Amino acid sequence: DAVMTQSPLSLPVTLGQPASISCRSSQSLVHSDGNIFLFWLQQRPGQSPRRLLYKVSNRDSGVPDRFSGSGSGTDFTLKISRVEAEDVGVYYCMQATQWPYTFGQGTKLEIK
Amino acid sequence: EVQLLQSGGGLVQPGGSLRLSCAASGFTFSRDAMGWVRQAPGKGLEWVSIIYSGGRRTNYADSVKGRFTISRDDSRNTLYLQMNALRAEDTAIYYCARGSDDWGQGALVTVSS
Repeated sequence: DAVMTQSPLSLPVTLGQPASISCRSSQSLVHSDGNIFLFWLQQRPGQSPRRLLYKVSNRDSGVPDRFSGSGSGTDFTLKISRVEAEDVGVYYCMQATQWPYTFGQGTKLEIK
Repeated sequence: EVQLLQSGGGLVQPGGSLRLSCAASGFTFSRDAMGWVRQAPGKGLEWVSIIYSGGRRTNYADSVKGRFTISRDDSRNTLYLQMNALRAEDTAIYYCARGSDDWGQGALVTVSS
Protein backbone atom coordinates (compact mmCIF):
# COMPACT_ATOMS: atom_id res chain seq x y z
CA ASP A 1 0.00 0.00 0.00
CA ALA A 2 1.13 3.57 -0.66
CA VAL A 3 1.57 5.20 2.74
CA MET A 4 0.98 8.95 2.62
CA THR A 5 2.82 11.04 5.20
CA GLN A 6 1.87 14.66 5.75
CA SER A 7 3.73 17.37 7.61
CA PRO A 8 3.14 19.31 9.65
CA LEU A 9 0.11 17.76 11.35
CA SER A 10 -0.75 21.06 13.01
CA LEU A 11 -0.37 24.40 11.25
CA PRO A 12 -1.11 27.64 13.08
CA VAL A 13 -1.05 30.54 10.63
CA THR A 14 -1.58 34.29 10.92
CA LEU A 15 -4.30 35.69 8.66
CA GLY A 16 -2.83 36.92 5.39
CA GLN A 17 0.32 34.84 5.76
CA PRO A 18 1.28 31.91 3.52
CA ALA A 19 1.00 28.25 4.48
CA SER A 20 2.53 25.09 3.10
CA ILE A 21 1.75 21.41 3.63
CA SER A 22 3.98 18.57 2.53
CA CYS A 23 2.80 15.12 1.46
CA ARG A 24 5.19 12.27 0.83
CA SER A 25 4.27 8.88 -0.62
CA SER A 26 6.08 5.64 0.16
CA GLN A 27 5.79 4.70 -3.52
CA SER A 28 5.85 6.55 -6.80
CA LEU A 29 2.39 7.83 -7.71
CA VAL A 30 3.03 7.83 -11.44
CA HIS A 31 0.35 5.67 -13.00
CA SER A 32 1.07 3.40 -15.95
CA ASP A 33 -0.84 5.89 -18.12
CA GLY A 34 1.57 8.68 -17.10
CA ASN A 35 -0.86 10.52 -14.84
CA ILE A 36 -0.24 11.24 -11.17
CA PHE A 37 -3.45 10.72 -9.24
CA LEU A 38 -2.62 12.89 -6.27
CA PHE A 39 -5.39 15.04 -4.84
CA TRP A 40 -5.79 17.58 -2.06
CA LEU A 41 -8.98 17.79 -0.03
CA GLN A 42 -10.22 20.23 2.57
CA GLN A 43 -12.54 19.31 5.41
CA ARG A 44 -13.99 22.24 7.28
CA PRO A 45 -15.29 21.61 10.79
CA GLY A 46 -18.50 19.59 10.71
CA GLN A 47 -18.51 19.27 6.92
CA SER A 48 -17.86 16.62 4.31
CA PRO A 49 -14.52 16.66 2.53
CA ARG A 50 -14.23 18.85 -0.53
CA ARG A 51 -11.66 18.39 -3.26
CA LEU A 52 -9.44 21.41 -3.94
CA LEU A 53 -6.87 20.11 -6.41
CA TYR A 54 -6.69 17.11 -8.72
CA LYS A 55 -3.74 15.45 -10.43
CA VAL A 56 -1.24 17.41 -8.35
CA SER A 57 -1.89 20.97 -9.45
CA ASN A 58 -5.29 21.44 -11.13
CA ARG A 59 -7.74 23.55 -9.15
CA ASP A 60 -11.35 22.41 -8.95
CA SER A 61 -14.12 24.76 -10.01
CA GLY A 62 -14.73 27.48 -7.42
CA VAL A 63 -11.43 26.99 -5.60
CA PRO A 64 -9.65 30.30 -5.00
CA ASP A 65 -6.38 30.80 -6.85
CA ARG A 66 -4.54 31.30 -3.56
CA PHE A 67 -4.46 27.47 -3.43
CA SER A 68 -1.78 25.80 -5.51
CA GLY A 69 -0.22 22.38 -5.75
CA SER A 70 3.10 21.07 -6.98
CA GLY A 71 5.27 18.00 -6.90
CA SER A 72 6.17 14.84 -8.73
CA GLY A 73 6.90 11.18 -8.09
CA THR A 74 6.66 10.88 -4.32
CA ASP A 75 6.83 14.43 -2.96
CA PHE A 76 3.99 16.92 -3.15
CA THR A 77 3.11 20.29 -1.67
CA LEU A 78 -0.05 22.30 -1.12
CA LYS A 79 0.47 26.04 -0.76
CA ILE A 80 -1.93 28.74 0.34
CA SER A 81 -0.56 32.13 -0.67
CA ARG A 82 -2.52 34.17 1.89
CA VAL A 83 -4.55 32.35 4.52
CA GLU A 84 -8.10 33.53 5.12
CA ALA A 85 -10.45 32.70 8.00
CA GLU A 86 -12.51 30.35 5.79
CA ASP A 87 -9.42 28.17 5.24
CA VAL A 88 -9.61 26.75 8.77
CA GLY A 89 -10.01 22.98 8.71
CA VAL A 90 -8.13 19.77 8.02
CA TYR A 91 -6.29 19.20 4.75
CA TYR A 92 -5.69 15.75 3.35
CA CYS A 93 -3.62 14.52 0.46
CA MET A 94 -4.97 11.42 -1.22
CA GLN A 95 -3.60 9.07 -3.86
CA ALA A 96 -5.74 7.17 -6.33
CA THR A 97 -2.96 5.75 -8.48
CA GLN A 98 -3.26 2.30 -6.94
CA TRP A 99 -5.75 0.46 -4.75
CA PRO A 100 -6.16 0.80 -1.87
CA TYR A 101 -6.53 4.53 -2.32
CA THR A 102 -4.93 6.14 0.70
CA PHE A 103 -4.98 9.42 2.55
CA GLY A 104 -2.43 11.31 4.56
CA GLN A 105 -3.10 11.70 8.28
CA GLY A 106 -4.44 15.22 7.78
CA THR A 107 -3.04 18.65 8.61
CA LYS A 108 -5.09 20.84 10.89
CA LEU A 109 -4.86 24.49 9.89
CA GLU A 110 -5.85 27.03 12.50
CA ILE A 111 -5.59 30.79 12.78
CA LYS A 112 -3.02 32.10 15.25
CA GLU B 1 -25.31 20.54 -9.81
CA VAL B 2 -23.99 17.22 -8.53
CA GLN B 3 -25.88 15.88 -5.52
CA LEU B 4 -25.18 12.74 -3.50
CA LEU B 5 -27.95 12.13 -0.98
CA GLN B 6 -27.17 9.45 1.56
CA SER B 7 -29.49 7.39 3.76
CA GLY B 8 -29.37 4.30 5.92
CA GLY B 9 -27.07 5.03 8.85
CA GLY B 10 -27.92 4.20 12.45
CA LEU B 11 -27.19 2.15 15.54
CA VAL B 12 -26.61 -1.57 15.17
CA GLN B 13 -25.38 -4.28 17.50
CA PRO B 14 -22.06 -6.05 16.93
CA GLY B 15 -22.56 -8.82 14.40
CA GLY B 16 -25.51 -7.04 12.85
CA SER B 17 -26.13 -5.70 9.35
CA LEU B 18 -26.91 -2.35 7.78
CA ARG B 19 -27.30 -1.06 4.24
CA LEU B 20 -26.28 2.42 3.16
CA SER B 21 -27.70 4.10 0.06
CA CYS B 22 -26.53 7.06 -1.97
CA ALA B 23 -28.90 8.63 -4.51
CA ALA B 24 -27.03 10.56 -7.19
CA SER B 25 -28.11 13.34 -9.50
CA GLY B 26 -26.61 16.05 -11.68
CA PHE B 27 -24.24 13.83 -13.66
CA THR B 28 -24.27 10.65 -15.75
CA PHE B 29 -24.10 8.16 -12.88
CA SER B 30 -23.48 5.09 -15.02
CA ARG B 31 -20.22 6.50 -16.40
CA ASP B 32 -18.46 7.17 -13.11
CA ALA B 33 -16.65 5.11 -10.51
CA MET B 34 -18.35 5.45 -7.13
CA GLY B 35 -17.11 4.60 -3.68
CA TRP B 36 -17.44 4.73 0.06
CA VAL B 37 -15.04 6.46 2.43
CA ARG B 38 -15.32 6.36 6.20
CA GLN B 39 -14.11 8.49 9.07
CA ALA B 40 -14.00 7.10 12.58
CA PRO B 41 -14.80 9.64 15.32
CA GLY B 42 -12.03 12.22 15.53
CA LYS B 43 -9.91 10.31 13.00
CA GLY B 44 -8.80 10.57 9.40
CA LEU B 45 -10.28 9.25 6.16
CA GLU B 46 -10.23 5.65 4.92
CA TRP B 47 -11.35 4.34 1.54
CA VAL B 48 -13.67 1.40 2.16
CA SER B 49 -14.71 0.29 -1.31
CA ILE B 50 -15.05 1.35 -4.92
CA ILE B 51 -17.15 0.14 -7.85
CA TYR B 52 -16.27 1.06 -11.40
CA SER B 53 -18.46 1.91 -14.34
CA GLY B 54 -20.41 -1.16 -15.43
CA GLY B 55 -20.45 -2.60 -11.93
CA ARG B 56 -18.33 -5.67 -12.63
CA ARG B 57 -15.11 -4.46 -11.03
CA THR B 58 -14.96 -3.71 -7.33
CA ASN B 59 -12.27 -3.23 -4.70
CA TYR B 60 -12.38 -3.39 -0.92
CA ALA B 61 -10.16 -2.37 1.95
CA ASP B 62 -8.68 -5.40 3.73
CA SER B 63 -10.50 -4.30 6.89
CA VAL B 64 -13.94 -4.92 5.32
CA LYS B 65 -13.24 -7.60 2.73
CA GLY B 66 -15.70 -10.50 3.02
CA ARG B 67 -18.09 -8.49 5.21
CA PHE B 68 -19.08 -5.48 3.08
CA THR B 69 -20.52 -5.52 -0.46
CA ILE B 70 -20.68 -2.51 -2.75
CA SER B 71 -23.20 -2.39 -5.57
CA ARG B 72 -24.86 0.06 -7.90
CA ASP B 73 -28.20 0.34 -9.69
CA ASP B 74 -27.61 2.50 -12.74
CA SER B 75 -31.34 2.51 -13.54
CA ARG B 76 -31.98 4.22 -10.18
CA ASN B 77 -28.72 6.25 -10.06
CA THR B 78 -28.08 4.75 -6.66
CA LEU B 79 -25.03 3.34 -4.91
CA TYR B 80 -25.23 0.87 -2.05
CA LEU B 81 -23.04 -0.54 0.68
CA GLN B 82 -24.25 -3.70 2.38
CA MET B 83 -22.45 -4.09 5.70
CA ASN B 84 -22.58 -7.44 7.48
CA ALA B 85 -20.88 -8.85 10.59
CA LEU B 86 -20.38 -5.31 11.87
CA ARG B 87 -17.78 -4.64 14.54
CA ALA B 88 -17.23 -1.81 16.99
CA GLU B 89 -14.30 -0.61 14.88
CA ASP B 90 -16.66 -0.05 11.93
CA THR B 91 -18.21 2.86 13.84
CA ALA B 92 -17.70 5.90 11.62
CA ILE B 93 -19.27 8.48 9.37
CA TYR B 94 -19.57 6.88 5.95
CA TYR B 95 -19.32 9.16 2.92
CA CYS B 96 -20.48 8.33 -0.56
CA ALA B 97 -17.98 9.66 -3.12
CA ARG B 98 -18.00 10.16 -6.86
CA GLY B 99 -14.37 9.26 -7.41
CA SER B 100 -12.64 12.02 -5.46
CA ASP B 101 -14.69 14.76 -7.12
CA ASP B 102 -17.86 14.99 -5.05
CA TRP B 103 -18.97 13.79 -1.63
CA GLY B 104 -22.23 13.02 0.10
CA GLN B 105 -23.28 14.53 3.39
CA GLY B 106 -22.23 11.47 5.36
CA ALA B 107 -24.13 8.86 7.37
CA LEU B 108 -23.21 7.90 10.92
CA VAL B 109 -22.96 4.19 11.62
CA THR B 110 -22.61 3.23 15.26
CA VAL B 111 -21.87 -0.37 16.19
CA SER B 112 -22.52 -0.89 19.87
CA SER B 113 -24.45 -3.14 22.24
